[in-house]
Amino acid sequence: QKEVEQDPGPLSVPEGAIVSLNCTYSNSAFQYFMWYRQYSRKGPELLMYTYSSGNKEDGRFTAQVDKSSKYISLFIRDSQPSDSATYLCAMRRGPGTASKLTFGTGTRLQVTL
Amino acid sequence: EPEVTQTPSHQVTQMGQEVILRCVPISNHLYFYWYRQILGQKVEFLVSFYNNEISEKSEIFDDQFSVERPDGSNFTLKIRSTKLEDSAMYFCASTRERGADSPLHFGNGTRLTVT
Repeated sequence: QKEVEQDPGPLSVPEGAIVSLNCTYSNSAFQYFMWYRQYSRKGPELLMYTYSSGNKEDGRFTAQVDKSSKYISLFIRDSQPSDSATYLCAMRRGPGTASKLTFGTGTRLQVTL
Repeated sequence: EPEVTQTPSHQVTQMGQEVILRCVPISNHLYFYWYRQILGQKVEFLVSFYNNEISEKSEIFDDQFSVERPDGSNFTLKIRSTKLEDSAMYFCASTRERGADSPLHFGNGTRLTVT
């Protein structure tokens, strides 16, 4: 079983739709969860960061973590064509341990007019 | 907003040649990383670097790889004898603190093509 699993898509939605992106993971040691957005030929850009279980909202973006199910989600409200990108989930263990990020494969999102 | 800068954006090299990928991290950051992304695959950790030494490295980061901070601003990744399978996007990242809640800032990457 892969440490982090993410549906690669592509996911195509009309402008204004609510988008749901998800990752599952197998390592219960992961405590910190991130979502990155990656445009073509660019580096990953941090969108959301959450610690442990719960929700976090920032503008049109909401990140959810359910540690009991080892499942994280990113919701995008009122999606825009400029949201078209690849969305990467990433996670790391707690402080004092390995600092590396473990990424999912990314989901390619296309928001159409 | 300060950003991580990587050069060159694209490097083509022949198998067996040495390459050096260059990065200028954000100026007040203290921890530096290299990640790579083979086409169609996930972003993978290579190495982290702090206080002029490697903090952690992955199994990918074998003896063919080395990192260096030759001066106060640059951070380099050297591949001594490139292989075809080294073809990938290489991303440099930096963060101010090592804590797990300190976000990484990535550069736009160097596309390495080994022929």
